[in-house]
Amino acid sequence: QSVLTQPPSASGTPGQRVTISCSGSSSNIGSNTVNWYQQLPGTAPKLLIYSNNQRPSGVPDRFSGSKSGTSASLAISGLQSEDEADYYCAAWDDSLNGLYVFGTGTKVTVL
Amino acid sequence: QVQLVQSGSELKKPGASVKVSCKASGYTFTSYAMNWVRQAPGQGLEWMGWINTNTGNPTYAQGFTGRFVFSLDTSVSTAYLQISSLKAEDTAVYYCAREPTEDAIYFQHWGQGTLVTVSS
Repeated sequence: QSVLTQPPSASGTPGQRVTISCSGSSSNIGSNTVNWYQQLPGTAPKLLIYSNNQRPSGVPDRFSGSKSGTSASLAISGLQSEDEADYYCAAWDDSLNGLYVFGTGTKVTVL
Repeated sequence: QVQLVQSGSELKKPGASVKVSCKASGYTFTSYAMNWVRQAPGQGLEWMGWINTNTGNPTYAQGFTGRFVFSLDTSVSTAYLQISSLKAEDTAVYYCAREPTEDAIYFQHWGQGTLVTVSS
């Protein structure tokens, strides 16, 4: 059901910058804002970025989001070991009767 | 503070039914919709739909019609997900989730998840 495409994996050493892409279409990213979730192993997802580039209170400014056209990106600067997790983009999709779609997910590994 | 506490893990046989609960606290239950999200083992997140906690009207995503039912008991601030005629492919962790504001379309508050295992 995932209509937002992400790379399956990304990695970096501590301190590096890692970027995750999220590709969608005109019915989702192209016309609605993008959100990002972090899921640590065995836990519920956590909202990381909302409305393309806004961080909820408590989320470090190492995490940043951007959107252009039908694609979005999440950047993690100054990568830390605790950032090792799965990351999902998401957006509302205006097709059919409307639905909330998640990306395929990206596993970030800290080397 | 907002809390969503879900019921514990379930082990069910194929063909049986299961009812997962999500008890909300820390806010007025009927002021915010409740969403449900599925995550199969080793897989990604899948939005199942939502229920209007004010009217009780459910909306189901494609693929979650027929055997899946969202319901409420507003007297105890609890939302329910019932799945009937369980199949092995229903094995997953099910999450309830809530938006931070009435007009937001993202989920800031999540339950801890309920693992439903379907096996003979």
